[in-house]
Amino acid sequence: AQKVTQAQTEISVVEKEDVTLDCVYETRDTTYYLFWYKQPPSGELVFLIRRNSFDEQNEISGRYSWNFQKSTSSFNFTITASQVVDSAVYFCALRSNTGKLIFGQGTTLQVKP
Amino acid sequence: GAGVSQSPSNKVTEKGKDVELRCDPISGHTALYWYRQRLGQGLEFLIYFQGNSAPDKSGLPSDRFSAERTGESVSTLTIQRTQQEDSAVYLCASSPPLGLAGGEQYFGPGTRLTVT
Repeated sequence: AQKVTQAQTEISVVEKEDVTLDCVYETRDTTYYLFWYKQPPSGELVFLIRRNSFDEQNEISGRYSWNFQKSTSSFNFTITASQVVDSAVYFCALRSNTGKLIFGQGTTLQVKP
Repeated sequence: GAGVSQSPSNKVTEKGKDVELRCDPISGHTALYWYRQRLGQGLEFLIYFQGNSAPDKSGLPSDRFSAERTGESVSTLTIQRTQQEDSAVYLCASSPPLGLAGGEQYFGPGTRLTVT
């Protein structure tokens, strides 16, 4: 069975703090993709990053960074120096060869000024 | 270029009525997906179209739900005899063919369905 678990339901931080959102996945596929999406209060899902199962290099994009570890089936997302505009629900998702995305339950991040 | 569009943005209907939701994918995207998001929940996969292949209907919750797609363009999701538990935001996404650019899905703004 394929599954994505985001154990943190809600996280609250103060602006400029660093925050890490956890994602653990389960799959028997040898080839798969992992994604992170952001859903701000407006509701529209925004694609953040894609990582394929053969590439375990960490990635950094501005204040965002992602740590993919196959050994622990984790794909964690860190926001450095958080800002109020980062407040949103963040979803981790797994895509198998069949194409459909399997989403975690989401982590609501609140960044307070 | 234009993103994924969905209509209507909001729909309020009475229990027992049929509703039809529309999705216009990004031009050139061969794959189209429907998801449902209940309040405060994650996204549930409903159905997936890829080119001329038979759709993957494995996520449809009951036979009251059906979807069609015209070629590689517009798709409609139909819910017959709506129930209150059908109230949710219905999201459509499209992506390039699998294997190209990782097939990341681009989402529309959703249709918020309320069944009274």
